[in-house]
Amino acid sequence: RKEVEQDPGPFNVPEGATVAFNCTYSNSASQSFFWYRQDCRKEPKLLMSVYSSGNEDGRFTAQLNRASQYISLLIRDSKLSDSATYLCVVNMRAGGFKTIFGAGTRLFVKA
Amino acid sequence: GAGVSQSPSNKVTEKGKDVELRCDPISGHTALYWYRQSLGQGLEFLIYFQGNSAPDKSGLPSDRFSAERTGGSVSTLTIQRTQQEDSAVYLCASSSRTSGRVSDTQYFGPGTRLTVL
Repeated sequence: RKEVEQDPGPFNVPEGATVAFNCTYSNSASQSFFWYRQDCRKEPKLLMSVYSSGNEDGRFTAQLNRASQYISLLIRDSKLSDSATYLCVVNMRAGGFKTIFGAGTRLFVKA
Repeated sequence: GAGVSQSPSNKVTEKGKDVELRCDPISGHTALYWYRQSLGQGLEFLIYFQGNSAPDKSGLPSDRFSAERTGGSVSTLTIQRTQQEDSAVYLCASSSRTSGRVSDTQYFGPGTRLTVL
């Protein structure tokens, strides 16, 4: 089992749709969580950190459930420009510092 | 301010040759990471430097791969006797993380696209 698993995707949605991405992690030593966005042939860029209380940034909402070891990202009113791959990232202390990237979920938003 | 920079942006080499990839982290960032990403795949952790501590080399795929970080700043990833399966984008990231904190954000460079013929 992978340490960080994401929805396999791709997601194809129309403009204006709401889309949710899920991510699970297996190591309870996981301590901090992030969503990154990666455009085609570009480097990953931080979209938002994920906090236990949940956090929102405009159309984007991230949630963390430590008990279920589950992270989510909700995008409301999706735009064409949201088309990208969304990466779930987990930092942990497990015999040293470790960062694990999920394989990513590809999103296509169509007009 | 300046972000993470990497050079070269593209490198084409012949099988069996050695290559060096360079990363300049954000000024003041103490942590530096190398990853590689094959086409259509996720990021694969290679190595992590934190300050003056011994690097975490647990992700290096073979002894042909090595990395150095001089003066706590610039890092060089070296691949010896390159193989075709080494073809990938090599990404460097840095963060301001200090020992004991796992919450710092990683900022990525644009990557070096390595093609081994």
